Amino acid sequence: GAVVSQHPSRVICKSGTSVKIECRSLDFQATTMFWYRQFPKQSLMLMATSNEGSKATYEQGVEKDKFLINHASLTLSTLTVTSAHPEDSSFYICSARWDRALHEQYFGPGTRLTVT
Amino acid sequence: GNSVTQMEGPVTLSEEAFLTINCTYTATGYPSLFWYVQYPGEGLQLLLKATKADDKGSNKGFEATYRKETTSFHLEKGSVQVSDSAVYFCALIPNAGNNRKLIWGLGTSLAVNP
Repeated sequence: GAVVSQHPSRVICKSGTSVKIECRSLDFQATTMFWYRQFPKQSLMLMATSNEGSKATYEQGVEKDKFLINHASLTLSTLTVTSAHPEDSSFYICSARWDRALHEQYFGPGTRLTVT
Repeated sequence: GNSVTQMEGPVTLSEEAFLTINCTYTATGYPSLFWYVQYPGEGLQLLLKATKADDKGSNKGFEATYRKETTSFHLEKGSVQVSDSAVYFCALIPNAGNNRKLIWGLGTSLAVNP
């Protein structure tokens, strides 16, 4: 099956710094990637949808200047949390989709971000 | 609009018990339906799916049947194991319109005791 990786799996950073999370599709070309955030014991919250080579589409209430998303190639998308604060601490999950299979998304293992 | 409702947890069962986690949906047309599982400390994994009415998805002993008449996609397993302890998410992708985003249920936590 399709494999999506995320790096790093865990990161701890100081308040005010920026953190970049990478999401890669390892064996297929991902025309669309999604970024989710998950709070403890809650469902996933879609943050944004990114298509290769174009600007990401953010969900309502998600600050685009704080959560920078770049989808520079068909196998890589990055999420940069800028000027992180403790309330940004969360589990961030990406997923990838090949647009010839619109009904399937493949998820990365997630990145645990802790801001101190 | 599109939505997914699944039974609230937590669900606690003894090993070898029968499991049902209810999921119903609201959507236009015929969405694709999914069950995802999240084991402790891990990311989401697709457990099974069904893309048209009356399809049965199955994997690892779990089954779910796409019931259009009751707009349901209940997850079942005949004999659970401790290793099945996880959070289970029901989800759909609409097949109508341009919106191909996953619509999620809130998740149901399952704990299986030995």
